[in-house]
Amino acid sequence: GNSVTQMEGPVTLSEEAFLTINCTYTATGYPSLFWYVQYPGEGLQLLLKATKADDKGSNKGFEATYRKETTSFHLEKGSVQVSDSAVYFCALTNSGGGADGLTFGKGTHLIIQP
Amino acid sequence: NAGVMQNPRHLVRRRGQEARLRCSPMKGHSHVYWYRQLPEEGLKFMVYLQKENIIDESGMPKERFSAEFPKEGPSILRIQQVVRGDSAAYFCASSPDIGASSEAFFGQGTRLTVV
Repeated sequence: GNSVTQMEGPVTLSEEAFLTINCTYTATGYPSLFWYVQYPGEGLQLLLKATKADDKGSNKGFEATYRKETTSFHLEKGSVQVSDSAVYFCALTNSGGGADGLTFGKGTHLIIQP
Repeated sequence: NAGVMQNPRHLVRRRGQEARLRCSPMKGHSHVYWYRQLPEEGLKFMVYLQKENIIDESGMPKERFSAEFPKEGPSILRIQQVVRGDSAAYFCASSPDIGASSEAFFGQGTRLTVV
């Protein structure tokens, strides 16, 4: 079956530091890959996605590239801000759009200190 | 446009009682999904519904759990005869359709505690 593994948290960085949150996956076929973010007290929000190999998703300064050869979808940001503090979830699905059959990682809690 | 609304936010039930979790999708969204997050785990897919139909229930436990999305009103996730292992956060999401570009929006979740 499908599975997603992401780095354990919490990850604590200083403001303006470079961020990488690793995500690797196991899946059949050609899944779509996602990063969701959950800010304190809120629901999950889609941050970015990629639907085929070598696609790069980007949003709000965050980027992730769909690497089929390494089955990875690492999240990166060049300069983090305190407002980026949240829990980040990597996810995949073979089911197309919407939220049908998403497989999530356990989440990585990111803490940005001023 | 209000987001996906889940209520209650917190629910405490004694073992053997019933739990009813409600989800009102975003306006114009006809697809609803339920996920469960056990402690120290990622979100696990439970069920996908459209109005009056269950489309995919492959993640739903076969006993005690049921879900509906009636023509009028919110989607309901119902857990009968709750046990301590049902304690978790339950998230609902909705989307306008299921095309490749369709984005799903999640609610804040209902945290169920069984005592």
